[in-house]
Amino acid sequence: GENVEQHPSTLSVQEGDSAVIKCTYSDSASNYFPWYKQELGKRPQLIIDIRSNVGEKKDQRIAVTLNKTAKHFSLHITETQPEDSAVYFCAASRSGGSYIPTFGRGTSLIVHP
Amino acid sequence: KAGVTQTPRYLIKTRGQQVTLSCSPISGHRSVSWYQQTPGQGLQFLFEYFSETQRNKGNFPGRFSGRQFSNSRSEMNVSTLELGDSALYLCASSLNGGNEQYFGPGTRLTVT
Repeated sequence: GENVEQHPSTLSVQEGDSAVIKCTYSDSASNYFPWYKQELGKRPQLIIDIRSNVGEKKDQRIAVTLNKTAKHFSLHITETQPEDSAVYFCAASRSGGSYIPTFGRGTSLIVHP
Repeated sequence: KAGVTQTPRYLIKTRGQQVTLSCSPISGHRSVSWYQQTPGQGLQFLFEYFSETQRNKGNFPGRFSGRQFSNSRSEMNVSTLELGDSALYLCASSLNGGNEQYFGPGTRLTVT
């Protein structure tokens, strides 16, 4: 089955800095890669996703890049703000049908004001 | 459109008891997945139901079971509770599985 590794487990940055979280996956057939943000005491929320037919996707201050050859994808957050502090999970899946995503173990991002 | 809801939000049970958790997916979503979340273990997949059938199963003992009703609402049951079952149980719904999943707020289960 799929295996997703996520690094780092904890990331501490100053407000205004950029943050990068990296994930690797093992199943070359995976083609859907979502990222979730979970604030303390709240549910995970889908913040951005990318499919294997594109290499990069942006949404305001967040972006995700995908390298299918190397089987890794990354979340980039620019101009970080204290409200970005949360646990971020990456996941990998084959899209559609009976597949369910495999999640990384999460990265705790702390943004210091 | 209403989001995914879960009941109850909090539960305290004693070892050996059983518990049933409920999840109502987003209207129109037919896939419901269940996850166990504990500190340091991330999101552990329990099982997925689609059209009232268990379609995928994670690596949990048979004490963990579930079902899905014709309106796509799902229940999860844990029998003979153990201390290690204390966790946040999340359900997530999606249109058809394998794509965007939307999580409920979770049920916090404490086993004493």
